[in-house]
Amino acid sequence: GAGVSQTPSNKVTEKGKYVELRCDPISGHTALYWYRQSLGQGPEFLIYFQGTGAADDSGLPNDRFFAVRPEGSVSTLKIQRTERGDSAVYLCASSLTGRSKDTQYFGPGTRLTVL
Amino acid sequence: EDQVTQSPEALRLQEGESSSLNCSYTVSGLRGLFWYRQDPGKGPEFLFTLYSAGEEKEKERLKATLTKKESFLHITAPKPEDSATYLCAVQAGADSWGKLQFGAGTQVVVTP
Repeated sequence: GAGVSQTPSNKVTEKGKYVELRCDPISGHTALYWYRQSLGQGPEFLIYFQGTGAADDSGLPNDRFFAVRPEGSVSTLKIQRTERGDSAVYLCASSLTGRSKDTQYFGPGTRLTVL
Repeated sequence: EDQVTQSPEALRLQEGESSSLNCSYTVSGLRGLFWYRQDPGKGPEFLFTLYSAGEEKEKERLKATLTKKESFLHITAPKPEDSATYLCAVQAGADSWGKLQFGAGTQVVVTP
């Protein structure tokens, strides 16, 4: 079956611009996670959705970052006034229920470069 | 503060040369430890979940084990296609949901 998909695969933008990154989870998965991975590091948690609601956004670095999941399926991560330090790979994962011990399946990521 | 530390940072092996990767953790209330494989330019690919000390899981040339303080990923007679970065992650705490905390990974290169 189809896995987690993310678009675009690459995004290059200029400092100060607004960007949107999209995640399409595995069909039927109620839980969706966003992570950010810098070069040479493991993924770092940003936000978790259970259905349409953000159950935990404690990993969002500041108020320039925002994410939505309006219909409980596709999610969009939005970054305002991008900074060079936002450059990273943004990974999305989904799991069946969101309960502890559920396997999280990752998408291929979006590589964001802020010039 | 919860921490996940992987060692070594990088490992270069000859084909057939077995070795082990280490993931040590200091967390409150471990709920599960996960191993993922990540190829360049791709997202992490799930390998194993371990829940309690003493548990072991195997898949082809890989075997994961868990103690109260660390996990090992043993690679037996590796092949070049085992070259990848191996990530471990923990779920911990009283929350009923599954935020993962990752280590930095071990980059494995297997040469013919």
